[in-house]
Amino acid sequence: EAEVAQSPRYKITEKSQAVAFWCDPISGHATLYWYRQILGQGPELLVQFQDESVVDDSQLPKDRFSAERLKGVDSTLKIQPAELGDSAMYLCASSFLLAGGGEQFFGPGTRLTVL
Amino acid sequence: GENVEQHPSTLSVQEGDSAVIKCTYSDSASNYFPWYKQELGKGPQLIIDIRSNVGEKKDQRIAVTLNKTAKHFSLHITETQPEDSAVYFCADGNNNDMRFGAGTRLTVKP
Repeated sequence: EAEVAQSPRYKITEKSQAVAFWCDPISGHATLYWYRQILGQGPELLVQFQDESVVDDSQLPKDRFSAERLKGVDSTLKIQPAELGDSAMYLCASSFLLAGGGEQFFGPGTRLTVL
Repeated sequence: GENVEQHPSTLSVQEGDSAVIKCTYSDSASNYFPWYKQELGKGPQLIIDIRSNVGEKKDQRIAVTLNKTAKHFSLHITETQPEDSAVYFCADGNNNDMRFGAGTRLTVKP
């Protein structure tokens, strides 16, 4: 069964350091999402790609966060510099259709701890 | 942005009992309502979804009902089992975006 792959699964870093997360969506899924999930809360969208284009990055803190999907396949989310409040689970999801058009398939997530 | 409210935040039931989780949304343009189950250390997995042109959908022990007039939808799990224990999230979406509730931690006691 096809799955969304994410790495690393866990990341511990010190504040002010740079971190990067990688996501490989299900083959053929044009839409890719990055979510942040704070403990005890639901996922919150950071950025949404349609192929290699950003569709929505209105909730992405652009002073420190960046995301790219250069060839419209896998994607990287970067934080520089990391802050204590960035500690969370970072989830990647992909779907065949845009946003509310259909099921989003989630990866296992990257748990980030900023010390 | 417009939110989706989910209740209760925690729910404990005895094995074999039913569990009901409710969500209320505010965006009139929402037309897709999925429910996700998230187990510890894993990403959310879709368990059932419903579209705005349908009032109810059932899949074995799981059912979802939608009241578009009142803007609320509910997840019903019957004959609960210990493996149903997890965090459940509702969401509402349209062609542009999707919003998640805060989650319900369901515990099924054997």
